[in-house]
Amino acid sequence: QLQLQESGPGLVKPSETLSLTCTVSGGSISSSSYYWGWIRQPPGKGLEWIGSIYYSGSTYYNPSLKSRVTISVDTSKNQFSLKLSSVTAADTAVYYCARQILYYDIGYGAFDIWGQGTMVTVSS
Amino acid sequence: SYELTQPLSVSVALGQTARITCGGNNIGSKNVHWYQQKPGQAPVLVIYRDSNRPSGIPERFSGSNSGNTATLTISRAQAGDEADYYCQVWDSSTAVFGGGTKLTVL
Repeated sequence: QLQLQESGPGLVKPSETLSLTCTVSGGSISSSSYYWGWIRQPPGKGLEWIGSIYYSGSTYYNPSLKSRVTISVDTSKNQFSLKLSSVTAADTAVYYCARQILYYDIGYGAFDIWGQGTMVTVSS
Repeated sequence: SYELTQPLSVSVALGQTARITCGGNNIGSKNVHWYQQKPGQAPVLVIYRDSNRPSGIPERFSGSNSGNTATLTISRAQAGDEADYYCQVWDSSTAVFGGGTKLTVL
């Protein structure tokens, strides 16, 4: 059964770069049927999509975060990663990685499998 | 940018039917996905492409989408259905989530 697990520092200082990794187990990240995404949720608030990546390295990002976000993939390790630069307290959130279905007819689809999430706090 | 509007809260009596709406401009032309999130847990996909249930999701969960409103319907509501529910669509290669609806089972 496919599982996703986020890892990375739980505390980041303001103005620094947040770095997280998602490890995929029980399946290959190189499947042609899926993208792999990052979604975050500030405490007590709703979900916000950050961006997604294909195993080939093709990416697309939320326009509101695009200038600060980099998502990369390492197929040899079955991992994909998130970097968010110049963080502020507003970036404090639970960060989730998720598998995103790619439909042959409509393209982008639902996030069908999620990691458990990791809390990242931005504070000095 | 595209916006999705959900009611902040919906209440339903145990065993009755709950309907959670998701409003958006011509949302009927888009594919809507619904997620359930219980406190302290990751979201779980309960409906995809408007009305399809993933494996393991009870038949009590159903969805529809037309015009400017998509609806998640939960029949015979149970205490375990109490959770936050989010709708989601894609617009111009951007994933958009609704603000979420807290479902209370009375």
